[in-house]
Amino acid sequence: GESVGLHLPTLSVQEGDNSIINCAYSNSASDYFIWYKQESGKGPQFIIDIRSNMDKRQGQRVTVLLNKTVKHLSLQIAATQPGDSAVYFCAEKTGGFKTIFGAGTRLFVKA
Amino acid sequence: GAVVSQHPSRVICKSGTSVKIECRSLDFQATTMFWYRQFPKKSLMLMATSNEGSKATYEQGVEKDKFLINHASLTLSTLTVTSAHPEDSSFYICSASRQGGAMNTEAFFGQGTRLTVV
Repeated sequence: GESVGLHLPTLSVQEGDNSIINCAYSNSASDYFIWYKQESGKGPQFIIDIRSNMDKRQGQRVTVLLNKTVKHLSLQIAATQPGDSAVYFCAEKTGGFKTIFGAGTRLFVKA
Repeated sequence: GAVVSQHPSRVICKSGTSVKIECRSLDFQATTMFWYRQFPKKSLMLMATSNEGSKATYEQGVEKDKFLINHASLTLSTLTVTSAHPEDSSFYICSASRQGGAMNTEAFFGQGTRLTVV
């Protein structure tokens, strides 16, 4: 069935370094991808999205890369800050309204 | 961004009782809302799609009689956990996308409801 998953369950980085969080998806029909950030006890917060007709999109300190050939998605956070510590989920939609989530990666930022 | 609000944020109930969780879109109308369940250190699992004015669509394995969904207006969906048991304890989260927006737009999420059944 459809699935969106992550390679790494946890990631620890030094403050100021760049972070890269990876995600693999299995549904080649997926046409829209989103990265969410979730802090403890809160709902997911939108970070950045990308449509399947693109391979890169940049936001403020964040970049999402999409490789449709290998069905891989990544989130890059530049100059990681302590406030970036959270769980990050990739999610996908397939031509509809449902948002399906991957397994999540916990990011720890060391001061 | 758009605001989706859930209430209550935290609830404790006794086994056998029912609990209602509300999800409101505060600054936009949503013909469709979604309910998720999240266990500790796990991802969000889609439970059902709430459709305004019609029956909800449940994901495979989700008991529709256990998790009653009502979407009576364009800004409110409710999830009722009926005859709650300790295994229903979880973090429940709702989401909505703007009505009439492009199909591939981000969903906005509520702050979640922590349900504890004792």
